[in-house]
Amino acid sequence: KQEVTQIPAALSVPEGENLVLNCSFTDSAIYNLQWFRQDPGKGLTSLLLIQSSQREQTSGRLNASLDKSSGRSTLYIAASQPGDSATYLCAVRPGTNAGKSTFGDGTTLTVKP
Amino acid sequence: NAGVTQTPKFQVLKTGQSMTLQCAQDMNHEYMSWYRQDPGMGLRLIHYSVGAGITDQGEVPNGYNVSRSTTEDFPLRLLSAAPSQTSVYFCASSLTGGWPQHFGDGTRLSIL
Repeated sequence: KQEVTQIPAALSVPEGENLVLNCSFTDSAIYNLQWFRQDPGKGLTSLLLIQSSQREQTSGRLNASLDKSSGRSTLYIAASQPGDSATYLCAVRPGTNAGKSTFGDGTTLTVKP
Repeated sequence: NAGVTQTPKFQVLKTGQSMTLQCAQDMNHEYMSWYRQDPGMGLRLIHYSVGAGITDQGEVPNGYNVSRSTTEDFPLRLLSAAPSQTSVYFCASSLTGGWPQHFGDGTRLSIL
């Protein structure tokens, strides 16, 4: 059974700092990995999708990397802003059944002005 | 283009009542899924579908039924509501498994 872990559960940083969020998974036979942002009381917004054949994806100040063999992904946020404060979740889809997804519990990020 | 639409946004039920949570998407996506999110936790997959007429169980299917008669709609039925089903329910869709999932705004369900 796939298990997805996100460490740390919460993170507080001053504005302007570069930071890394971690996502690890136990079964490396994945189809893809997706990072989401969730604001309090809201739904999930897709940030980046990395296919299993890719090493990284970039969008603006966000960069996500994937090391499938070691079961790890990182989300790098450059020059953090108070508006980046949210919960960040990662989800993996298995290679054998891409209809399924397994989510981590998320990292709650607070960026202080 | 509305994306993924969930109704209702809020609902309070009594134990033993039944109800249907609606989910519709207008993006012609083949894959649709239902998740529940409990406080401080990630999302857990209830049921999913890879196309009209095809459904399968996820991680926590007990107490829930689904059907997929059209590409657009994927309703979730609670057969006999229990307090343990108090949660926020999210519906998601994607073109196929290789494409990003898009989420609705959620339904906040309380069972008394």
